[in-house]
Amino acid sequence: KAGVTQTPRYLIKTRGQQVTLSCSPISGHRSVSWYQQTPGQGLQFLFEYFSETQRNKGNFPGRFSGRQFSNSRSEMNVSTLELGDSALYLCASRDGQGMGTEAFFGQGTRLTVV
Amino acid sequence: AQKVTQAQTEISVVEKEDVTLDCVYETRDTTYYLFWYKQPPSGELVFLIRRNSFDEQNEISGRYSWNFQKSTSSFNFTITASQVVDSAVYFCALNPGNTGKLIFGQGTTLQVKP
Repeated sequence: KAGVTQTPRYLIKTRGQQVTLSCSPISGHRSVSWYQQTPGQGLQFLFEYFSETQRNKGNFPGRFSGRQFSNSRSEMNVSTLELGDSALYLCASRDGQGMGTEAFFGQGTRLTVV
Repeated sequence: AQKVTQAQTEISVVEKEDVTLDCVYETRDTTYYLFWYKQPPSGELVFLIRRNSFDEQNEISGRYSWNFQKSTSSFNFTITASQVVDSAVYFCALNPGNTGKLIFGQGTTLQVKP
């Protein structure tokens, strides 16, 4: 069974640009969550999708958005990039209702904003 | 407020020593789940264990053991006879029962020296 796949693995963008990150969950998993990891703030929850609906959102500005497709693949978008958006973005997928079950993580997308 | 505290930022031990990683959580929910994840340098979070709030039974898996105490809101992780391969960042996480969101502690960096 293939794991969680995140693309691309590395990105370098310029301030003011926008970026789209992709996550393919484990087959059969309908819950996908996104996390931002930085040295200063640690791992912070961005949002969670279940069956194409955003179920929860973390405390991030509106520049951060996401969506989930009918095949459960998810994308997150960051517009008007700032230097502080440089981080490792991790995606996790879960089976069942996505609550309380093991979250399987991808290897992440390392975003650098210059 | 829901929060996870890992007071130990970094721990350094010599191989074969036992080491305990502390985790204290805060939640008012009666149903919740607790997790431990390991993050090696590759960046991917690797699941170690899951516990629900109704199961205080301690668990042992090989050299790993976990002690869950609701009375002190703690979920500590012990590695017996540590090995160099145990070197990584370890995260404790809280999953409130009605969401798919994971609230992570700041992580503990464990360095095991030969």
